[in-house]
This record gives sequence, C-alpha cells and structure tokens, in this order.
Amino acid sequence: NAGVTQTPKFRILKIGQSMTLQCTQDMNHNYMYWYRQDPGMGLKLIYYSVGAGITDKGEVPNGYNVSRSTTEDFPLRLELAAPSQTSVYFCASSYLFDRSGQETQYFGPGTRLLVL
Amino acid sequence: KNQVEQSPQSLIILEGKNCTLQCNYTVSPFSNLRWYKQDTGRGPVSLTIMTFSENTKSNGRYTATLDADTKQSSLHITASQLSDSASYICVVSHLDSWGKLQFGAGTQVVVTP
Repeated sequence: NAGVTQTPKFRILKIGQSMTLQCTQDMNHNYMYWYRQDPGMGLKLIYYSVGAGITDKGEVPNGYNVSRSTTEDFPLRLELAAPSQTSVYFCASSYLFDRSGQETQYFGPGTRLLVL
Repeated sequence: KNQVEQSPQSLIILEGKNCTLQCNYTVSPFSNLRWYKQDTGRGPVSLTIMTFSENTKSNGRYTATLDADTKQSSLHITASQLSDSASYICVVSHLDSWGKLQFGAGTQVVVTP
C-alpha cells in the first residue's frame, strides 16, 4: 500500500491565484482530514470527512473548500490565495476505530505552499 | 490558548544518552493521548496511544507515561540514536469530539554524534 499520498510537494502561488491540493489514500479509510502546520505551532484541522459525500469544517476552514466524491480522494481547494495561507498542509486518514478501539491517523508527506 | 503545551521547545543530546519530553494538557473530557514523531519534511507518525486508564506504554526505545489526574504525559527516549532526531508531538483527543485532535507545537530533538 502507498498509504496517504499528496501532490504537489511544493508550490508557489501569487496572491489571488487558486489551486487544488490533492490527497489520495489506498487503505479504504472512512475518515480523512486536512491540517495546516505553521512554524512553532501545532497542527490545525481545516476540514474533515467521515465518508464519501460528507464533509465538515474544522478549526480553521476560512479560505478553503473540500469535496469527497470517492472514498480514496479528498482534495483541498484554495480559491483566492493569501499570504496567510503560506503553510505546510498535511492530509491524513483513519478507520472509524482500529482493533484496539482507538483510531490512528495516518499522515501524508505534506505539501509546502508559499503565497507571495 | 493552546490546550496542549510541550516542553522543552528543543533539546540537543549526545548519541547514546537518554532524554525525557514533557506534555501538559487541559483538554477535557479526555479520551486519549498520543505521541507522534515527525521527521523533517515528512508527515507525523504515531508512536504510542494511551487512554486515561493507561499509565505507561512502550514502543521500542520510546516509553510514554500518563498521569490523567495531573494531566501530564512524558515521552522517554532511551539510548538515543541519530535517527531519533525529529520533532515529537503530543496530541490529545476530546472524548466527545471523535477524530478532532489537539496538537502540541512539538519538541525538536537533535541527537549529535
């Protein structure tokens, strides 16, 4: 299994541009998540999805949109890029519960985004 | 205010030595506490998960402890290796917010030869 894959690895955007960060998992997980990680800060949840067709806002959703048309894919959309969105973005996935009853999130390698 | 505080922010240790990282949290009600290892340029990888009823859990040279009464956890690294150089992140889960985790800022560990 490839696990959680993300593309691109790095991107530079100009203010006002839009882009989509791709995330795919091949573990048949129901739950998927998008986080952002800023220097010196803990990861913040942007959006999450409990299954295909169902998404919900996390802690910092403003400026982002998501969709979940399949179990495998969970793209994150930035419509009007702003310098405040410069960050490292991580996608993660998990089962509802693993065998021990405690869900484990598996993370992708991240996408570094720079907005100038 | 961050509900998960980690200390120290960073530390440097010699290869072969031990070290202990601290995590204090205010998340309530508490479900479980995890420690993740994040190598530079990579996503976090789970090391341990503990519920409120567990006091300690080990994963190789990593041993996590939990005191749910004082809301403190520690991660002990034994006989450090160069490959232990990474950021170690404490993550706490709400009991009634399944899947939504509170992340600490991490402790950056550098192991030198």
